Parts: sequence; structure tokens; C-alpha cells
Amino acid sequence: AQKITQTQPGMFVQEKEAVTLDCTYDTSDPSYGLFWYKQPSSGEMIFLIYQGSYDQQNATEGRYSLNFQKARKSANLVISASQLGDSAMYFCAMREGIGGGADGLTFGKGTHLIIQP
Amino acid sequence: DAGVTQSPTHLIKTRGQHVTLRCSPISGHKSVSWYQQVLGQGPQFIFQYYEKEERGRGNFPDRFSARQFPNYSSELNVNALLLGDSALYLCASSLQGEAPPYNEQFFGPGTRLTVL
Repeated sequence: AQKITQTQPGMFVQEKEAVTLDCTYDTSDPSYGLFWYKQPSSGEMIFLIYQGSYDQQNATEGRYSLNFQKARKSANLVISASQLGDSAMYFCAMREGIGGGADGLTFGKGTHLIIQP
Repeated sequence: DAGVTQSPTHLIKTRGQHVTLRCSPISGHKSVSWYQQVLGQGPQFIFQYYEKEERGRGNFPDRFSARQFPNYSSELNVNALLLGDSALYLCASSLQGEAPPYNEQFFGPGTRLTVL
């Protein structure tokens, strides 16, 4: 079974609109972390935002916010006021378990976001 | 400060050959992870090394091996290359933070391997 599911292979959004990228996850571990990364065509993965399973508040970083619904195992990324430079692949990822970095990240298949002028 | 660096940028090999990919982490980072990203997919975890010891391994065959050096740089080795090994190989470094499970990974630009 997929541990990270991103159901939107591609999205077209008008510049300056808000966009929501969907991510659902599957784990039985009570301690986990959820990450969003942006990957431009150059290939480098750029960290955007992190949400811990015990965090009470939804994470925010500038124009990025994470809509964390624990009971639904959902961690959607919201980008406010989209810009042309936001066009890229976006990946949701998860790390399970206690301890920093004992296991690698599990990534979803990604969403290709295209911002139109 | 320099980010994660990887070499080479691109590489073309033929089936059956061996390849070595290199990664230098961010200064002060002691953990290095390797990922394989096949075209159109998300990255898949291959290995993690911390303080020169293997800390995690993904579901990859024994043809894949890695090591970490005293300066925390790392090499990924792939033997008996197959066409399916063609991918972007990403290296990520992290501090190995104490606050579980947060441990942000900083990625390098990747090495694009083509197997003919």
C-alpha cells in the first residue's frame, strides 16, 4: 500500500490565486513528520514546510501553509497568492518513528503545478 | 555557505559497468542519505549514513552500496548496471537533530545517470 498518496498528477492555476495540493498518508506509528518539497526543472529538491504529528498548530512558512487533518491522515499544502516561479513539481514526504533521521523519507509521486499568467 | 555538492553532474554508462557517485554534505552535517529518482516518480530512499555507519537502507539490491568517510562525504556505488538504474541520484545531508522526528534534509542538485 502507498504510504504517501498525491492524487493530482498535474494542476493549472491562474497567477495570484491560492492553490491546494493534496496529500494523504498511511502510518500506524504515532510519531511521524510530514514534509513538502518543491522540485524545479533543475532537479534540486527545495524544502518548503514541516509538520510534526504532535504539533497542535498547522505549520506556516511565508506563503506556504499546511492543512493538517490528523484524523483523516491528510496534510495538504496551501500556497497563497501563487506566482509564476511556483511552477514546479511538488512532493509530499513522511518520516516515521522516533529519532532524527534513522530512516529515510518516503515520498509521494508528486504534483506538477503550472502557474499561468 | 556551500550547500550539498554532488559529482559528477551527468554520467553515461553501459549495461554491466560500475559507477561511483560522490556527495559532500553541508559543513557540520554528519548524516548523508541517498535517493534514486526515476523519471516521473518521487525519490526513493536507498541509504542513510551517520557518523560513518549505515543507519538505514531502502529496498534496493546488493548491487547498490555506499560508504561515508571521516570528513562525512559519501560515495554511492552501483555494480552491474541495468537499464533500469537510469535515474537522478540525489544526496541529502542533515544534522541528525535530537527533536524527533524532525530532521530536515538538504538536497544536492543530483547526478543524472544514463545507462545504455
